[in-house]
Amino acid sequence: GAVVSQHPSWVICKSGTSVKIECRSLDFQATTMFWYRQFPKQSLMLMATSNEGSKATYEQGVEKDKFLINHASLTLSTLTVTSAHPEDSSFYICSAASGAGAIGETQYFGPGTRLLVL
Amino acid sequence: KNQVEQSPQSLIILEGKNCTLQCNYTVSPFSNLRWYKQDTGRGPVSLTIMTFSENTKSNGRYTATLDADTKQSSLHITASQLSDSASYICVVSATSGTYKYIFGTGTRLKVLA
Repeated sequence: GAVVSQHPSWVICKSGTSVKIECRSLDFQATTMFWYRQFPKQSLMLMATSNEGSKATYEQGVEKDKFLINHASLTLSTLTVTSAHPEDSSFYICSAASGAGAIGETQYFGPGTRLLVL
Repeated sequence: KNQVEQSPQSLIILEGKNCTLQCNYTVSPFSNLRWYKQDTGRGPVSLTIMTFSENTKSNGRYTATLDADTKQSSLHITASQLSDSASYICVVSATSGTYKYIFGTGTRLKVLA
């Protein structure tokens, strides 16, 4: 149980285009979803936290107009990288939690999406 | 400042050998500590989770220990296998009322035949 999927698993796009990444909780309802970015040989960096039906909360330094997050249902969140540039190339990982604020609740991670912007 | 530090940064061992990874944290107030395994190009997978009152937790060949007084944790891998080659990440949660995970930088383990 507690499976999280991401689509696509990898994407290559031209600079200036927008890319949408989907994150789905397959066997549970995800009240809260998280989006992380990971650069080579570095740890995961939290970009934003989203709760179903409300606006995402972005971490300091993350441009909300650049990284659009939509958590429209309890099983789906999307991250859209708008006007992507080569510096946006990274490994994007989502995670999901079923609770609504319980301390220390487990996050279940997706397999990640590799984005390469040419 | 809440921080999680791991050592060593990288480690190479021969198949069948044991190894121990270290995690020191300054997160306060402490809620729980998790060890994750992350294969290259994949998302992290949970190995163990420990709360303040737990000293040790096992998951197959993986055994995690926690000393909440010294704010240290270790992950011991027994009889390593080639498939153990991965990054191991120590993650600490604070009792801040949010889900936020505080990630260590990870230990990259390479198991050689």
